[in-house]
Amino acid sequence: NAGVTQTPKFQVLKTGQSMTLQCAQDMNHNSMYWYRQDPGMGLRLIYYSASEGTTDKGEVPNGYNVSRLNKREFSLRLESAAPSQTSVYFCASSDPGQGLFFGSGTQLSVL
Amino acid sequence: KNQVEQSPQSLIILEGKNCTLQCNYTVSPFSNLRWYKQDTGRGPVSLTIMTFSENTKSNGRYTATLDADTKQSSLHITASQLSDSASYICVVFSGGYNKLIFGAGTRLAVHP
Repeated sequence: NAGVTQTPKFQVLKTGQSMTLQCAQDMNHNSMYWYRQDPGMGLRLIYYSASEGTTDKGEVPNGYNVSRLNKREFSLRLESAAPSQTSVYFCASSDPGQGLFFGSGTQLSVL
Repeated sequence: KNQVEQSPQSLIILEGKNCTLQCNYTVSPFSNLRWYKQDTGRGPVSLTIMTFSENTKSNGRYTATLDADTKQSSLHITASQLSDSASYICVVFSGGYNKLIFGAGTRLAVHP
């Protein structure tokens, strides 16, 4: 029972480079989310997808784009990475009435 | 402004002891309150979900309480174990896919 799988686990980028974080869930959930976690702060929502075919901005969407490829997969793209995007990124999924199920995170450093 | 504040920021206890973590929130409207456990290097895992009408909810050695009038919740851990060392995050759901407000967490260390 894999749950929510994120790749990669670790990534180092130089300022201006681009990358895509991958996320897949096998629980047949409709909703998927991308959060970032910074020291001393609560998780902040970057983007979410309420259902396949829809995506919406969260609290901190600037500098990111997302794609809901199908019901299982939801990717996060950094087009031109900045040091302020150094963070731990979590993908999550849920269905109404359930709690969030999180992946194990991607630790990203932008130099 | 919707906020969730947790205290203490960090806590060290000895194995076998009990502890209580606090969560105060100013979130409106209120739908439910959740406690998550986050082990180092892992994603948060749900411990409890409490609705407006629930005062207490238990999950093994974890007991969460909710006072909707004072907008306070607590998580009580009984007979702590080394494996309880983690961050505990309080989350208030205000309704809607983008309406989860996360606290910064309490980092608990259980020492032998």
